[in-house]
Amino acid sequence: GAGVSQSPRYKVAKRGQDVALRCDPISGHVSLFWYQQALGQGPEFLTYFQNEAQLDKSGLPSDRFFAERPEGSVSTLKIQRTQQEDSAVYLCASSAYRADTQYFGPGTRLTVL
Amino acid sequence: AQTVTQSQPEMSVQEAETVTLSCTYDTSENNYYLFWYKQPPSRQMILVIRQEAYKQQNATENRFSVNFQKAAKSFSLKISDSQLGDTAMYFCAFTYSGSARQLTFGSGTQLTVLP
Repeated sequence: GAGVSQSPRYKVAKRGQDVALRCDPISGHVSLFWYQQALGQGPEFLTYFQNEAQLDKSGLPSDRFFAERPEGSVSTLKIQRTQQEDSAVYLCASSAYRADTQYFGPGTRLTVL
Repeated sequence: AQTVTQSQPEMSVQEAETVTLSCTYDTSENNYYLFWYKQPPSRQMILVIRQEAYKQQNATENRFSVNFQKAAKSFSLKISDSQLGDTAMYFCAFTYSGSARQLTFGSGTQLTVLP
């Protein structure tokens, strides 16, 4: 596809369940970012990959959050033992090598009950 | 650390009129990029316009233009001939230049275009 895709678009989880959110970046984009967007707020940075290397994970809110990009393309954000405060939209973005402009996917809305 | 401030949580404009959204930022760096993104209810974050800090000329994309005041650390977005499809949340964002870096976003301005 031409753009960044994310799946699922919506996810409802019971508190304590594990969830996995998928991101397919634009083909050939080296850089991949994950952001968390709370209701009515701007997105906040979670983590950044360059190819398969996770170069920055300073925004991950706790050790329950884990991200991977094993082959340098598709990425998965995993949240273990979900809590209500994890409810948010999770956005994925990608950019070309050394480029400044990021292109976003449609996001996954996670609701933890 | 850099911060981005959008002081207008909500704005409205009549169709075909002009509206300006405000954004200020704070950084000690000299080389950086600024962006305006649009997020309609579908949640897809769409790039509206970008500005390199080293360029004095204000960026323009069709009906969208910016007023970049580097000394004042101000980056406002002007939308001319507003259309119903412009209704969305608008975010101002900042990143340092160089290798790919994370974006820092403001809290957003909800713009409603009235028929």
